[in-house]
Amino acid sequence: ETGVTQTPRHLVMGMTNKKSLKCEQHLGHNAMYWYKQSAKKPLELMFVYSLEERVENNSVPSRFSPECPNSSHLFLHLHTLQPEDSALYLCASSQARDSAYGYTFGSGTRLTVV
Amino acid sequence: AQSVTQPDIHITVSEGASLELRCNYSYGATPYLFWYVQSPGQGLQLLLKYFSGDTLVQGIKGFEAEFKRSQSSFNLRKPSVHWSDAAEYFCAVDDYKLSFGAGTTVTVRA
Repeated sequence: ETGVTQTPRHLVMGMTNKKSLKCEQHLGHNAMYWYKQSAKKPLELMFVYSLEERVENNSVPSRFSPECPNSSHLFLHLHTLQPEDSALYLCASSQARDSAYGYTFGSGTRLTVV
Repeated sequence: AQSVTQPDIHITVSEGASLELRCNYSYGATPYLFWYVQSPGQGLQLLLKYFSGDTLVQGIKGFEAEFKRSQSSFNLRKPSVHWSDAAEYFCAVDDYKLSFGAGTTVTVRA
């Protein structure tokens, strides 16, 4: 248990489906992140939330929609995805937006788009 | 903008042998540097971090890393590798957000 819990662990969805990824942390952290990890590529930062406010969106397609209802929960809503969106989606949290203490990562959701 | 380069995509090492993973960064100021490890099917776990001070930092699982400003490097080392060290290793630099290198996959042979 890393302190950051992601559900589901695995998800297979069709291109016309709508699904959501969930991330939860009870570490008292104020910043949360979504990363995409594709094979043979560096981790890509998708979204950053600080104190429940989105502070960064790295040119992510609109078919990915994040939501942060409180400082402990982060969602990634998915709709009309493409096969190239298949990847490991990692959630992370840190004490603060500019934390120098590193991030705590969840185990990820392995997403397959068929 | 900062960047992180891990020159080695894949390293194979014998169990009990030493391991060194290279990391080079490009950053204007003194960076915060990190090493993470990812086992198959898992998220990333922090091994160690450097902020300032002593340039040799100790981490978990017997790992250490040395910050060399003159070489813009932050190489990770372990004197004697165990089979459980087989994983992917990521170097990262913090500039208001973590930016990662492409990773180095370590295979441990018996």
